[in-house]
Amino acid sequence: EDQVTQSPEALRLQEGESSSLNCSYTVSGLRGLFWYRQDPGKGPEFLFTLYSAGEEKEKERLKATLTKKESFLHITAPKPEDSATYLCAVQKSNFGNEKLTFGTGTRLTIIP
Amino acid sequence: NAGVTQTPKFRVLKTGQSMTLLCAQDMNHEYMYWYRQDPGMGLRLIHYSVGEGTTAKGEVPDGYNVSRLKKQNFLLGLESAAPSQTSVYFCASSYVAGGLEQFFGPGTRLTVL
Repeated sequence: EDQVTQSPEALRLQEGESSSLNCSYTVSGLRGLFWYRQDPGKGPEFLFTLYSAGEEKEKERLKATLTKKESFLHITAPKPEDSATYLCAVQKSNFGNEKLTFGTGTRLTIIP
Repeated sequence: NAGVTQTPKFRVLKTGQSMTLLCAQDMNHEYMYWYRQDPGMGLRLIHYSVGEGTTAKGEVPDGYNVSRLKKQNFLLGLESAAPSQTSVYFCASSYVAGGLEQFFGPGTRLTVL
């Protein structure tokens, strides 16, 4: 069974204090790993897709990396506006199976 | 470009009542999805559609029905609501020839008493 585990559940950082969020996954044939940001009361907002081990993608203060078993979302010098819940999801490689399996998220709080 | 929109934003139902949630997208995406989000459980797929006139079951389809009569709209129905269906419902869409990513609407918060 596909499984996605995110850690930690919650993380509080001082403004400017860099850290990483972890997403461990178990899936038979990875088609893609996705990172989303979700603000309270809103829908998930797409950040990145990673397709193969070794791939990295960056956007502003965020950088996502992928290995065969896990993905990291590195946040460098975060600002209070980076506070949100970050969701990780995986999709299997078999054509026609469009299901995303989500983790339960990491709630990130950046303290000014 | 409004993206993915959902109506209503909030709804309170009594057990046994029925309702329909509407999702609309203006991105000409082929695929559309309905998810529910519950505390501590992450987003779970209810039903999805790979094109106009098609639907398929997801992970938690029981108690829900869907229809996709037009490419831009995806309806989620609850025929007889139960308290276990209290949740936040999200619609999403994706472009089949794109990068696989799904784009989400703002959600509908449903409470069943």
